[in-house]
Amino acid sequence: GAGVSQSPSNKVTEKGKDVELRCDPISGHTALYWYRQSLGQGLEFLIYFQGNSAPDKSGLPSDRFSAERTGGSVSTLTIQRTQQEDSAVYLCASSLRRGKDTQYFGPGTRLTVL
Amino acid sequence: ILNVEQSPQSLHVQEGDSTNFTCSFPSSNFYALHWYRWETAKSPEALFVMTLNGDEKKKGRISATLNTKEGYSYLYIKGSQPEDSATYLCAFEGASQNFVFGPGTRLSVLP
Repeated sequence: GAGVSQSPSNKVTEKGKDVELRCDPISGHTALYWYRQSLGQGLEFLIYFQGNSAPDKSGLPSDRFSAERTGGSVSTLTIQRTQQEDSAVYLCASSLRRGKDTQYFGPGTRLTVL
Repeated sequence: ILNVEQSPQSLHVQEGDSTNFTCSFPSSNFYALHWYRWETAKSPEALFVMTLNGDEKKKGRISATLNTKEGYSYLYIKGSQPEDSATYLCAFEGASQNFVFGPGTRLSVLP
């Protein structure tokens, strides 16, 4: 009956490398959200999935960022050619349906780009 | 550019005091308004999802109201306790499936 899980919990990478962050939502939750918190900044919405589709990708900071969700469950957020400004805590949340239901957050992945 | 504002930016109250904060958001294209409680080094915890004008929600000592016509929501905490110390975030969810967070109100409850 686990909550939302994310892996890895911490990731240190070198500038220019690609990274993949994973989110396992609560079983049965159709909506999945990715956010990030950069140091000293507020919470920033990145992308939202309803089922496997992401209706709006405009929140992704650049074309180096992509996300997918398969089987209506696990989602991966991929950052290509990482830059130092990508360093942040990346949070995932899921809810039964979009909008009207409570979002449950995972513990986050702390990404550090050296 | 969508603007979601919260006031005050920070607040210090004594244990037992009641307090309230404001979230202002666009009155058009509204779908839902979310309130979260975010303690340092933890993940945000959802408090309320509000969708209808005039909505009032309550969870223990915390309650919230929503006015979508004028674009504001109030969060109230009755009889603040030290464990209520956290940042309280609101987020506007638009009908276009955009999602914008306010900067938060940082509450400190002094024993």
